[in-house]
Amino acid sequence: GAGVSQTPSNKVTEKGKYVELRCDPISGHTALYWYRQSLGQGPEFLIYFQGTGAADDSGLPNDRFFAVRPEGSVSTLKIQRTERGDSAVYLCASSLGRSQETQYFGPGTRLLVL
Amino acid sequence: QKEVEQDPGPLSVPEGAIVSLNCTYSNSAFQYFMWYRQYSRKGPELLMYTYSSGNKEDGRFTAQVDKSSKYISLFIRDSQPSDSATYLCAMKRGNQFYFGTGTSLTVIP
Repeated sequence: GAGVSQTPSNKVTEKGKYVELRCDPISGHTALYWYRQSLGQGPEFLIYFQGTGAADDSGLPNDRFFAVRPEGSVSTLKIQRTERGDSAVYLCASSLGRSQETQYFGPGTRLLVL
Repeated sequence: QKEVEQDPGPLSVPEGAIVSLNCTYSNSAFQYFMWYRQYSRKGPELLMYTYSSGNKEDGRFTAQVDKSSKYISLFIRDSQPSDSATYLCAMKRGNQFYFGTGTSLTVIP
C-alpha cells in the first residue's frame, strides 16, 4: 500500500514569506507527527495529532509555526514570516493509534529559506 | 546536555564485520527504545523497538537495552554494503519521541 507522502519535496522561499507543507499519512492511521531535522541532527519533535486535534504541540518553536489536520487525515504545517534558521528537512510520520510505537515516516520536505 | 546522546561517527567497517552502535540517555522516564535506519534523502525507517531491558533479535540485528545504565545498543552481524546508512536511536516519553543525532555507517565491500 501507499506510504506517507509529503509535498512539495523541495521548497525554496525568501525570508519573510509564508509556506505550507503538506503530509498525507497512511490510510487509517489516526496518529500523525511532525518533526524538523537539521543537517547532522536527528529529528526534533514539533507536534502530535491524535485524530483532528493537536494532542501535543509543545515542540513548536514559536508562534510562527502552526499545524492543522481538519479531517483527521491530511495535515498541513504552516510557517509564517520564514527565517533563514527555519531551513531544514520537515518530516511527517504516522502510526495506527495512541499507543503504537511503529511510526512510518515520509520522505520529508526540504525547506530552504534564502 | 541533550537527553539522548549518540556518537555521530562516522564509522567505517569492512563487509562481514560486526557493528556496534550505542546511545546513552539521561531521563529514566523513557519507556520505549527504538532504532531507525535513514538512507540519504529519505525518511527514517524503523528497524526495531523494545520496551524492556534485555536483548531482542531480528535476523542480523540485535537491540540491547540496559535501563540501569541508561544505555542502549544495536548490533549488526555480517554487515553488508547495503547497511551503509545513518542509524538513529530514539526513545519515547509520553507523546514525544526523542532522537539521537545519528551515527553514519559505511560498510566497505
